[in-house]
Amino acid sequence: QQQVKQSPQSLIVQKGGISIINCAYENTAFDYFPWYQQFPGKGPALLIAIRPDVSEKKEGRFTISFNKSAKQFSLHIMDSQPGDSATYFCAASSNGGTSYGKLTFGQGTILTVHP
Amino acid sequence: DADVTQTPRNRITKTGKRIMLECSQTKGHDRMYWYRQDPGLGLRLIYYSFDVKDINKGEISDGYSVSRQAQAKFSLSLESAIPNQTALYFCATSDSLGGAGGNQPQHFGDGTRLSIL
Repeated sequence: QQQVKQSPQSLIVQKGGISIINCAYENTAFDYFPWYQQFPGKGPALLIAIRPDVSEKKEGRFTISFNKSAKQFSLHIMDSQPGDSATYFCAASSNGGTSYGKLTFGQGTILTVHP
Repeated sequence: DADVTQTPRNRITKTGKRIMLECSQTKGHDRMYWYRQDPGLGLRLIYYSFDVKDINKGEISDGYSVSRQAQAKFSLSLESAIPNQTALYFCATSDSLGGAGGNQPQHFGDGTRLSIL
């Protein structure tokens, strides 16, 4: 059972546009929501993360929006650049219970930014 | 040198063969993980280890086994490989911060692409 559902599966954006990737989770015990970025031939790398005590976190052109009541969170990439073309994964974990110390990943989104 | 090193990077083998994938890390982290990545399924946890004497099954452990030879080394074995184990395999590490950190970033190696014919 996939506890974190990610959409869309693929996304094409023009340079300078906004890329938006959405995730929904089921386990209300999750309290840590990171996003990972993966380039071809490389492993995923942490991009940005949020905890549920805030509704938004921004780092440069990357923003996570978090809606606890809807159990949804999203990644926004402003002014998207060709160098942002990669696969993006959302994930979730908890600081206790059966999900302690483990990440549950979404299915991934392949982002292509055209010049 | 990479902080998390996986060997081999690529492997092609035949059904029924025993295969071992190795992972070593220089980050000094106590937690290590094995995942497999399949298109459209994301990364799924196979096994994880919070210290040398701790081994736990993940979401999809059937057909796999692991060994934590030292804090820095964690290997994944396929005892009798089958074609549906063809995938990209990743090792990752994280720091427990002395046991206080359930939610810590994971650091990934660059993966092993495994093909089973």
